[in-house]
Amino acid sequence: AQSVTQPDIHITVSEGASLELRCNYSYGATPYLFWYVQSPGQGLQLLLKYFSGDTLVQGIKGFEAEFKRSQSSFNLRKPSVHWSDAAEYFCAVNTDKLIFGTGTRLQVFP
Amino acid sequence: DTGVSQDPRHKITKRGQNVTFRCDPISEHNRLYWYRQTLGQGPEFLTYFQNEAQLEKSRLLSDRFSAERPKGSFSTLEIQRTEQGDSAMYLCASSFANEQFFGPGTRLTVL
Repeated sequence: AQSVTQPDIHITVSEGASLELRCNYSYGATPYLFWYVQSPGQGLQLLLKYFSGDTLVQGIKGFEAEFKRSQSSFNLRKPSVHWSDAAEYFCAVNTDKLIFGTGTRLQVFP
Repeated sequence: DTGVSQDPRHKITKRGQNVTFRCDPISEHNRLYWYRQTLGQGPEFLTYFQNEAQLEKSRLLSDRFSAERPKGSFSTLEIQRTEQGDSAMYLCASSFANEQFFGPGTRLTVL
């Protein structure tokens, strides 16, 4: 069955530090992968997507993610975190519908 | 820019009442999705439409839930005889290809 795992429920970083949020997926075919961000009480905003081609994809707000087929991973990275990045982050795989992970809550300390 | 809109944004109701939510997708998008999100969880798929045809329903969608998209434009999600377990954020999304765009959600609280 298709699934997405985000092993880290909660991550805390200092402003200016680098960030990596982990995502592992289970899907038989070539996956379409996404990262979304959600601020409290809000809908989901797309950060970036992978469909095919270059395995390192760039997104909005300085985020990037790398698709590694051998590890079934699609980790999200940012070299320098800003306080405004504090939010919930969801990884998802598209199988006609989106299957989401349980999310990682990012807290940023000044 | 007219993104996906949802109405109402918040709904408080008493157990046993019926509620209806509306979603207006991006105009040229032919697919429309409904998801439910409970506190501390990722969104879970409920159902989706391609134009006016409802193509898939999740096992989460009990008999008390019904969704329509009568003219392939806006969609409604109705919950009959609400239960406290129905309290959640209901998210709507629309897509043309493989990328889904989400609305702000309707937060339902059942007392």
